[in-house]
Amino acid sequence: SYDLTQPPSVSVSPGQTASVTCSGDNLGDKFVSWFQQRPGQSPLLVIYRNDMRPSGIPERFSGSNSVNTATLTITETQAVDEADYFCQVWDNHVAVFGSGTQVTVL
Amino acid sequence: QVQLVESGGGSVKPGGSVRLSCATSGFTFGDFYMSWIRQAPGKGPEWVSYINGRGTTQYYADSVKGRFTISRDNPKNALYLEMTSLRVDDTAVYYCVREKRGVFGWFFDSWGQGTLVTVSS
Repeated sequence: SYDLTQPPSVSVSPGQTASVTCSGDNLGDKFVSWFQQRPGQSPLLVIYRNDMRPSGIPERFSGSNSVNTATLTITETQAVDEADYFCQVWDNHVAVFGSGTQVTVL
Repeated sequence: QVQLVESGGGSVKPGGSVRLSCATSGFTFGDFYMSWIRQAPGKGPEWVSYINGRGTTQYYADSVKGRFTISRDNPKNALYLEMTSLRVDDTAVYYCVREKRGVFGWFFDSWGQGTLVTVSS
């Protein structure tokens, strides 16, 4: 089965840039989605197809994917961005999620 | 706007059965693949199953294959998950999720609020 690895936590100061990584074998050959999940809420799609933002998602959210690592970048991080973030890909008709990264805005 | 409302969760004993429903509105239901995704307490999401728009193709995670059945009723705009032979590790919030598939890949663009299934003796 395909595995995605994320760091358990990332800390960032308000106004600074947060980077969340997601690693997997030949991940660059796949399309990566990213989801934000605030406590008690359902996941929210923030990035799809590696670097595309759905309507309504702020421009400070961006994504990239190359070789074995995908990265979600949050620029000018705000307190409201504090949440868990999950990466996800499809592998042979199976959707695979990363273990998640807790982003803390200190 | 897109609405996905799950129901049918609750407490059940190991070995028991539960049927989850998802009522949808705000989009042409039969045009979309749909998935069930679950999330155990304190864990990340785990994809369970998907079904195509016409209901003719289904895929399942290995962890539920042979025990869970996904189905849909397009005239009723409803998605279902029949869960049998339930185990303690099936305990989770179950989400009804809409998929978009096309040139931009496959991705989950809308999630319901979830329904909790607790399997315990």
